[in-house]
Amino acid sequence: AQKITQTQPGMFVQEKEAVTLDCTYDTSDPSYGLFWYKQPSSGEMIFLIYQGSYDQQNATEGRYSLNFQKARKSANLVISASQLGDSAMYFCAMRGPNDYKLSFGAGTTVTVRA
Amino acid sequence: DADVTQTPRNRITKTGKRIMLECSQTKGHDRMYWYRQDPGLGLRLIYYSFDVKDINKGEISDGYSVSRQAQAKFSLSLESAIPNQTALYFCATSDEDSIYNEQFFGPGTRLTVL
Repeated sequence: AQKITQTQPGMFVQEKEAVTLDCTYDTSDPSYGLFWYKQPSSGEMIFLIYQGSYDQQNATEGRYSLNFQKARKSANLVISASQLGDSAMYFCAMRGPNDYKLSFGAGTTVTVRA
Repeated sequence: DADVTQTPRNRITKTGKRIMLECSQTKGHDRMYWYRQDPGLGLRLIYYSFDVKDINKGEISDGYSVSRQAQAKFSLSLESAIPNQTALYFCATSDEDSIYNEQFFGPGTRLTVL
Protein backbone atom coordinates (compact mmCIF):
# COMPACT_ATOMS: atom_id res chain seq x y z
CA ALA A 1 0.00 0.00 0.00
CA GLN A 2 1.13 3.53 -0.70
CA LYS A 3 1.19 6.15 1.98
CA ILE A 4 1.86 9.88 1.81
CA THR A 5 2.70 11.93 4.90
CA GLN A 6 2.61 15.69 5.17
CA THR A 7 3.53 16.63 8.72
CA GLN A 8 2.99 20.39 8.53
CA PRO A 9 -0.69 21.28 8.91
CA GLY A 10 -0.03 24.98 8.42
CA MET A 11 2.80 27.39 7.66
CA PHE A 12 3.30 31.13 7.48
CA VAL A 13 5.76 32.73 5.10
CA GLN A 14 6.69 36.32 4.42
CA GLU A 15 6.07 37.65 0.96
CA LYS A 16 9.11 37.26 -1.35
CA GLU A 17 10.66 34.58 0.84
CA ALA A 18 10.96 30.89 0.01
CA VAL A 19 9.01 28.14 1.75
CA THR A 20 9.55 24.38 1.83
CA LEU A 21 6.64 21.98 2.23
CA ASP A 22 7.53 18.53 3.46
CA CYS A 23 6.30 15.29 1.95
CA THR A 24 7.43 11.77 2.70
CA TYR A 25 6.10 8.64 1.10
CA ASP A 26 6.16 4.94 1.57
CA THR A 27 6.09 2.43 -1.26
CA SER A 28 7.76 -0.85 -2.16
CA ASP A 29 7.46 -0.18 -5.89
CA PRO A 30 10.65 0.98 -7.65
CA SER A 31 8.61 2.92 -10.20
CA TYR A 32 6.25 5.66 -9.08
CA GLY A 33 5.29 9.26 -9.69
CA LEU A 34 5.01 12.11 -7.26
CA PHE A 35 2.75 15.13 -7.72
CA TRP A 36 2.02 18.39 -5.98
CA TYR A 37 -1.35 20.11 -6.25
CA LYS A 38 -2.47 23.52 -5.04
CA GLN A 39 -5.95 24.15 -3.67
CA PRO A 40 -6.78 27.84 -3.24
CA SER A 41 -9.69 28.96 -1.10
CA SER A 42 -11.96 28.72 -4.13
CA GLY A 43 -11.58 24.96 -3.88
CA GLU A 44 -10.25 23.81 -7.24
CA MET A 45 -7.26 21.49 -7.46
CA ILE A 46 -4.40 22.80 -9.59
CA PHE A 47 -1.55 20.56 -10.77
CA LEU A 48 1.83 22.14 -10.01
CA ILE A 49 4.72 19.76 -10.59
CA TYR A 50 5.65 16.13 -11.20
CA GLN A 51 8.67 13.99 -10.31
CA GLY A 52 9.19 10.50 -11.63
CA SER A 53 11.08 8.02 -9.48
CA TYR A 54 13.68 7.44 -12.21
CA ASP A 55 14.17 11.10 -13.01
CA GLN A 56 17.78 12.03 -12.45
CA GLN A 57 17.17 15.69 -11.84
CA ASN A 58 14.82 17.48 -9.51
CA ALA A 59 11.73 18.81 -11.24
CA THR A 60 11.26 22.54 -11.60
CA GLU A 61 8.33 24.56 -12.87
CA GLY A 62 8.67 28.31 -12.63
CA ARG A 63 8.83 29.24 -8.95
CA TYR A 64 8.13 25.65 -7.92
CA SER A 65 10.86 23.08 -7.47
CA LEU A 66 10.79 19.62 -6.02
CA ASN A 67 13.58 18.51 -3.69
CA PHE A 68 13.55 14.78 -4.42
CA GLN A 69 15.57 12.58 -2.07
CA LYS A 70 14.82 9.06 -3.16
CA ALA A 71 16.79 7.23 -0.47
CA ARG A 72 14.96 9.18 2.20
CA LYS A 73 11.65 8.83 0.37
CA SER A 74 10.97 12.52 0.50
CA ALA A 75 9.64 14.91 -2.15
CA ASN A 76 9.55 18.37 -0.66
CA LEU A 77 8.05 21.26 -2.59
CA VAL A 78 9.94 24.54 -2.58
CA ILE A 79 8.12 27.73 -3.51
CA SER A 80 10.53 30.57 -4.16
CA ALA A 81 9.75 34.29 -3.95
CA SER A 82 6.36 33.73 -2.32
CA GLN A 83 3.44 35.83 -3.48
CA LEU A 84 0.16 36.58 -1.76
CA GLY A 85 -1.57 34.42 -4.36
CA ASP A 86 0.40 31.41 -3.13
CA SER A 87 -1.77 31.29 -0.02
CA ALA A 88 -3.54 27.96 -0.38
CA MET A 89 -3.54 24.36 0.71
CA TYR A 90 -0.91 22.16 -0.94
CA PHE A 91 -1.23 18.42 -1.43
CA CYS A 92 1.45 15.87 -2.15
CA ALA A 93 0.28 12.78 -4.05
CA MET A 94 1.75 9.57 -5.43
CA ARG A 95 0.81 6.96 -7.98
CA GLY A 96 2.28 3.51 -8.48
CA PRO A 97 3.81 1.94 -11.63
CA ASN A 98 0.75 0.35 -13.21
CA ASP A 99 -1.70 2.21 -11.15
CA TYR A 100 -3.14 5.48 -12.26
CA LYS A 101 -4.88 6.23 -8.99
CA LEU A 102 -3.45 8.92 -6.76
CA SER A 103 -2.86 8.61 -3.02
CA PHE A 104 -2.90 12.01 -1.32
CA GLY A 105 -1.38 13.40 1.83
CA ALA A 106 -3.44 15.38 4.32
CA GLY A 107 -2.24 18.72 2.94
CA THR A 108 -0.37 21.78 4.23
CA THR A 109 -1.97 25.20 4.43
CA VAL A 110 0.35 28.03 3.44
CA THR A 111 -0.40 31.61 4.38
CA VAL A 112 1.72 34.32 2.77
CA ARG A 113 2.03 37.53 4.80
CA ALA A 114 2.58 40.93 3.21
CA ASP B 1 -15.31 26.87 -20.68
CA ALA B 2 -14.08 24.50 -18.03
CA ASP B 3 -12.75 21.16 -19.25
CA VAL B 4 -14.15 19.21 -16.29
CA THR B 5 -17.51 20.28 -14.93
CA GLN B 6 -19.47 19.05 -11.95
CA THR B 7 -23.12 19.51 -11.11
CA PRO B 8 -24.45 20.54 -8.71
CA ARG B 9 -21.76 22.73 -7.14
CA ASN B 10 -23.49 22.75 -3.80
CA ARG B 11 -26.18 20.47 -2.41
CA ILE B 12 -27.90 20.11 0.90
CA THR B 13 -29.90 16.94 1.41
CA LYS B 14 -31.42 14.90 4.20
CA THR B 15 -30.45 11.56 5.64
CA GLY B 16 -31.85 8.69 3.61
CA LYS B 17 -32.25 10.60 0.36
CA ARG B 18 -30.78 9.38 -2.89
CA ILE B 19 -28.51 11.87 -4.58
CA MET B 20 -26.51 11.90 -7.79
CA LEU B 21 -23.44 13.99 -8.52
CA GLU B 22 -22.58 14.40 -12.17
CA CYS B 23 -19.29 14.95 -13.92
CA SER B 24 -18.68 15.83 -17.55
CA GLN B 25 -15.43 16.41 -19.39
CA THR B 26 -14.42 17.78 -22.76
CA LYS B 27 -10.78 16.74 -22.53
CA GLY B 28 -11.32 13.46 -24.36
CA HIS B 29 -9.71 11.49 -21.55
CA ASP B 30 -10.58 7.84 -21.02
CA ARG B 31 -9.83 7.76 -17.32
CA MET B 32 -12.16 9.31 -14.77
CA TYR B 33 -12.15 9.34 -10.97
CA TRP B 34 -14.28 10.33 -8.00
CA TYR B 35 -12.67 11.54 -4.77
CA ARG B 36 -13.96 12.97 -1.55
CA GLN B 37 -12.10 15.50 0.56
CA ASP B 38 -12.46 15.73 4.30
CA PRO B 39 -10.55 18.16 6.54
CA GLY B 40 -7.26 16.68 7.70
CA LEU B 41 -7.58 13.61 5.47
CA GLY B 42 -6.71 14.91 2.03
CA LEU B 43 -8.50 13.36 -0.94
CA ARG B 44 -9.57 9.75 -0.90
CA LEU B 45 -10.53 7.73 -3.95
CA ILE B 46 -14.11 6.46 -4.13
CA TYR B 47 -14.34 4.93 -7.62
CA TYR B 48 -12.46 5.09 -10.87
CA SER B 49 -13.07 4.11 -14.47
CA PHE B 50 -10.53 3.57 -17.24
CA ASP B 51 -13.12 3.36 -19.98
CA VAL B 52 -16.85 3.05 -20.43
CA LYS B 53 -16.89 -0.67 -19.63
CA ASP B 54 -14.45 -0.49 -16.76
CA ILE B 55 -15.50 0.46 -13.20
CA ASN B 56 -13.31 -0.09 -10.15
CA LYS B 57 -13.73 0.49 -6.45
CA GLY B 58 -11.40 2.84 -4.65
CA GLU B 59 -10.46 2.85 -1.00
CA ILE B 60 -13.81 4.14 0.32
CA SER B 61 -16.52 2.85 -2.04
CA ASP B 62 -19.02 1.67 0.60
CA GLY B 63 -22.25 3.66 0.39
CA TYR B 64 -21.51 4.89 -3.13
CA SER B 65 -22.13 3.67 -6.67
CA VAL B 66 -21.11 5.04 -10.04
CA SER B 67 -22.19 4.99 -13.65
CA ARG B 68 -20.05 5.69 -16.71
CA GLN B 69 -22.69 6.67 -19.21
CA ALA B 70 -20.24 7.71 -21.91
CA GLN B 71 -16.57 8.51 -22.25
CA ALA B 72 -17.31 12.06 -21.18
CA LYS B 73 -19.69 11.38 -18.28
CA PHE B 74 -19.15 9.75 -14.91
CA SER B 75 -21.81 9.98 -12.21
CA LEU B 76 -21.55 9.27 -8.50
CA SER B 77 -24.63 8.20 -6.53
CA LEU B 78 -25.34 8.03 -2.85
CA GLU B 79 -28.21 5.57 -2.58
CA SER B 80 -29.16 6.55 0.95
CA ALA B 81 -27.21 9.55 2.14
CA ILE B 82 -25.89 9.70 5.70
CA PRO B 83 -24.35 12.65 7.59
CA ASN B 84 -20.79 11.30 7.47
CA GLN B 85 -20.95 11.57 3.69
CA THR B 86 -20.88 15.34 4.11
CA ALA B 87 -17.74 16.32 2.21
CA LEU B 88 -16.30 18.05 -0.83
CA TYR B 89 -16.46 15.72 -3.84
CA PHE B 90 -14.13 15.96 -6.79
CA CYS B 91 -14.26 14.40 -10.21
CA ALA B 92 -10.97 14.08 -12.09
CA THR B 93 -9.76 12.87 -15.47
CA SER B 94 -6.44 11.73 -16.88
CA ASP B 95 -4.98 10.81 -20.23
CA GLU B 96 -3.17 7.47 -20.39
CA ASP B 97 -0.95 8.82 -23.15
CA SER B 98 0.28 11.90 -21.32
CA ILE B 99 3.84 12.01 -20.02
CA TYR B 100 2.93 12.47 -16.39
CA ASN B 101 -0.59 11.08 -16.41
CA GLU B 102 -1.51 13.97 -14.15
CA GLN B 103 -5.12 14.27 -13.13
CA PHE B 104 -7.28 17.26 -13.98
CA PHE B 105 -9.91 18.10 -11.42
CA GLY B 106 -13.37 19.56 -11.64
CA PRO B 107 -14.38 22.46 -9.39
CA GLY B 108 -15.86 20.21 -6.74
CA THR B 109 -19.32 19.61 -5.30
CA ARG B 110 -19.92 20.56 -1.69
CA LEU B 111 -22.43 18.09 -0.26
CA THR B 112 -24.09 18.47 3.12
CA VAL B 113 -26.20 15.66 4.53
CA LEU B 114 -28.41 16.73 7.42
